Amino acid sequence: KAGVTQTPRYLIKTRGQQVTLSCSPISGHRSVSWYQQTPGQGLQFLFEYFSETQRNKGNFPGRFSGRQFSNSRSEMNVSTLELGDSALYLCASSLGREGETQYFGPGTRLLVL
Amino acid sequence: GQNIDQPTEMTATEGAIVQINCTYQTSGFNGLFWYQQHAGEAPTFLSYNVLDGLEEKGRFSSFLSRSKGYSYLLLKELQMKDSASYLCAVRDRNRGSTLGRLYFGRGTQLTVWP
Repeated sequence: KAGVTQTPRYLIKTRGQQVTLSCSPISGHRSVSWYQQTPGQGLQFLFEYFSETQRNKGNFPGRFSGRQFSNSRSEMNVSTLELGDSALYLCASSLGREGETQYFGPGTRLLVL
Repeated sequence: GQNIDQPTEMTATEGAIVQINCTYQTSGFNGLFWYQQHAGEAPTFLSYNVLDGLEEKGRFSSFLSRSKGYSYLLLKELQMKDSASYLCAVRDRNRGSTLGRLYFGRGTQLTVWP
C-alpha cells in the first residue's frame, strides 16, 4: 500500500497570504489528523477529521481550518499567514478505530517571510 | 493538556544499549506510542503499549507502567542509523475527546557515536 502523501513538500509564502496544504491518507484509512511541528513547541495537534467531520480541534486560532472529502483526502488552510506559522505541517492517517496507530506523511515545510 | 516529559538529549556508542524514559500525566490514558524521527523526515511508528508490560520488536522494546505514568523505549545493539529523535506520544480518552488526538513529548535526540 502507498503511504500517506502530502503536497506540496515545500512552500514559501509572505505574511498576510493564505496557504492550502493537501494530504492523501493510506488507502482505506478514514481518519486524518494534522499536526504542526516547530523546534520550540514540538509536535502540536491541529485537528482531526473522520468521515468528512471534524472530530477534535487543538488550541490554534481560527486562521487554521481544514476539511475532509468523501475520498478521505484532507486539506488544511491557513489564512493571513504570520512569521510564526513557519513550521513543518504533518498529517497522519489511521483507520480511526480504537487503538489504531497513526501513520505520518512526509510533511509540508512552510516558510513565511 | 497533558504533561509528557522525556530527556532532551542522549548519547551512546555503537553496539551499546540505551533506555529512553518518558513520564506522562493524563486524565484518560488510552495508549502510548513511540515514534522515531530522522532530521527532516516524518515520524515513523516504532511501538504501541496500552497494557502494562514489555513489548519487544527486534532491537526495540517498549515498556509501560500505567500506575506510574511511565514508559521507556529500549534500543539494543545500537547502530549509527539509530541517531534520531525519539518521540513519546500519549492518547487520552476524555469525554469529548477522540481517537485521533495524540499528545507528544518534545522528543529525545539520540546521537550514536562509532
